[in-house]
Amino acid sequence: QSVLTQPPSVSGAPGQRVTISCTGSSSDIGAGYDVQWYQQFPGTAPKLLIYGNTNRPSGVPDRFSGSKSGTSASLAITGLQAEDEATYYCQSYDSSLSASVFGGGTTLTVL
Amino acid sequence: QVHLQESGPGVVKPSQTLSLTCTVSGGSISSGTDYWTWIRQSAGKGLEWIGRVYTSGNTNYNPSLSSRVTISVDTSKNRFSLKLTSVTAADTAVYFCTREPLRDPHQFDFWGQGILVTVSS
Repeated sequence: QSVLTQPPSVSGAPGQRVTISCTGSSSDIGAGYDVQWYQQFPGTAPKLLIYGNTNRPSGVPDRFSGSKSGTSASLAITGLQAEDEATYYCQSYDSSLSASVFGGGTTLTVL
Repeated sequence: QVHLQESGPGVVKPSQTLSLTCTVSGGSISSGTDYWTWIRQSAGKGLEWIGRVYTSGNTNYNPSLSSRVTISVDTSKNRFSLKLTSVTAADTAVYFCTREPLRDPHQFDFWGQGILVTVSS
């Protein structure tokens, strides 16, 4: 069981907007620690998609955006494309565990 | 562009020690601008942060693994290593080495491709 809670799956049609939630607690997201999002395709390493809650590394399309409020964070993907089919993970730091922690991952299906 | 590459045995026997090395290219471990981190991914526990090392040799470990983990750095060879003792089937996972920028701690911006380690007799 992961420290950060994500829905196991989401889906959307091409061109639509989807959001993925990430729920933490007062010792991680709620304590003010930044949230990151990673995109992972089968058989490959996770790739940093969003850092510092809202920032995109160079090369990440602006269709991807992140937000944070209270003990939760969200990843939004607009203009959904077939190539966005992947598993998405949120990640933060937990002060009570003294460790970086991850969500269980959300598999995105483009219908 | 920083590149990380894991290496080591793909199979380890139960109760033995898992040893992996991560070789860094395109950047220097000695620069002092980054932590160097190990993360693993298993079907049972998802992504799990194992620990990190700084160029000075200072380390931080996940408390859940700290009694069995040692991470060290070899600046002369621009690489860092992971040792995990007394392994069991629960340690079967894909092990990734990553970079964690000092200026943005607890974020992992470059990852190795990962290496599958199976604990089996």
